[in-house]
Amino acid sequence: EIVLTQSPGTLSLSPGERVTLSCRASQSVGNYVAWYQQKPGQAPRLLIYDASYRAAGVPARFSGSGSGTDFTLTISSLEPEDFALYYCQQRTKWPPTFGPGTTLDV
Amino acid sequence: QVQLVESGGGVVQPGRSLRLSCAVSGFIFSSYDMHWVRQAPGRGLEWVAFISRDGGTKYYADSVKGRFTISRDSSTNNLYFQMNSLRPEDTALYYCARAHSTAFFDHWGQGTLVTVSS
Repeated sequence: EIVLTQSPGTLSLSPGERVTLSCRASQSVGNYVAWYQQKPGQAPRLLIYDASYRAAGVPARFSGSGSGTDFTLTISSLEPEDFALYYCQQRTKWPPTFGPGTTLDV
Repeated sequence: QVQLVESGGGVVQPGRSLRLSCAVSGFIFSSYDMHWVRQAPGRGLEWVAFISRDGGTKYYADSVKGRFTISRDSSTNNLYFQMNSLRPEDTALYYCARAHSTAFFDHWGQGTLVTVSS
């Protein structure tokens, strides 16, 4: 199965800062990567699909890029509600797999 | 609005069975592929099963293959997950999720907790 790694594991930041999260795949996944946000006690929320397309209702401060094996999620200016756990996920090959996540800490 | 509501979780002994349900509303259920995804306490996300919109195609994670069965009933707008021969490592919050582009997940339920313990 395709293994996704995310770095760093935890990031400590402040509101208003710009942040870039990284996701690397063990083999090429084309552009079939999604990003999810999960807050404590809540289900994950789809943010980005196909590497760079924002899901419905996702603010424009979230953007995704990348192809092949390296992908990034950028939040241009952190809002207080953005401090959460972020997962990347690939759908190129079965089974779909998730990265271990990056926590954004205030 | 799209809603997915899971039920059926609980505490069960190893080797026993449990059936999860996911009641959906707010969209045409028969037009969407569906998934189950689980999350062990304090851990990350693990995809476990897929069913196509017509129910004719099913995929499973190796960790549950042969023990768990996904099914759907479009007449009642319900997704099901029959879990047999449960193991302690199956302990997790089980989410049903609507598929986006086959194997992304654009809507999730709140999850139902399954605890396998003697």
